[in-house]
Amino acid sequence: DAKTTQPPSMDCAEGRAANLPCNHSTISGNEYVYWYRQIHSQGPQYIIHGLKNNETNEMASLIITEDRKSSTLILPHATLRDTAVYYCIVRDPTGANSKLTFGKGITLSVRP
Amino acid sequence: GAGVSQTPSNKVTEKGKYVELRCDPISGHTALYWYRQSLGQGPEFLIYFQGTGAADDSGLPNDRFFAVRPEGSVSTLKIQRTERGDSAVYLCASSPAGLGGWGANVLTFGAGSRLTVL
Repeated sequence: DAKTTQPPSMDCAEGRAANLPCNHSTISGNEYVYWYRQIHSQGPQYIIHGLKNNETNEMASLIITEDRKSSTLILPHATLRDTAVYYCIVRDPTGANSKLTFGKGITLSVRP
Repeated sequence: GAGVSQTPSNKVTEKGKYVELRCDPISGHTALYWYRQSLGQGPEFLIYFQGTGAADDSGLPNDRFFAVRPEGSVSTLKIQRTERGDSAVYLCASSPAGLGGWGANVLTFGAGSRLTVL
């Protein structure tokens, strides 16, 4: 049940901002947007989540459109270590079923 | 330990053999999840425990797969009569809450157990 759509891949130059888009046009009112990333040979790592307000933490910023149908994860100064697969997931955290459903994600390649 | 620990990190077995994969979640995390990841794909949900009980096992592909969490901490994923198609990375994750609640979707994953069935 793919609730999000992401391009398969993108790249950016080291030190520049990486803007990763995600479409979630069928998101419901109780669903949050979560981002995880997976560096090669590691398990997925939580990055950030939000409902409708923009969010920022030490790793990234999350910009959610006013209609909540899409969002953008921003890595302000990408480094080579940010090369990974980034997953955008929508889920209601108060629902009875807590599982996360991953799609294929977007592969970000940071070039020197 | 500080993170989710999975053992073995690598397991090579022959078709038809029995395999056990172990997961040590973060201490105090009540929710535990098993996922399977094939090459080039995102993680695929298998089963979710809330405490000792399996709250959702809808992702287990067939009855050769079984998981337990007898004391609400360590979990073991068991695969009987392994097939070549079972080859994948098996990921375990835990979170501080389940059945909804704010912590429910902030999962901490282990590095995974890579299973190869020859």
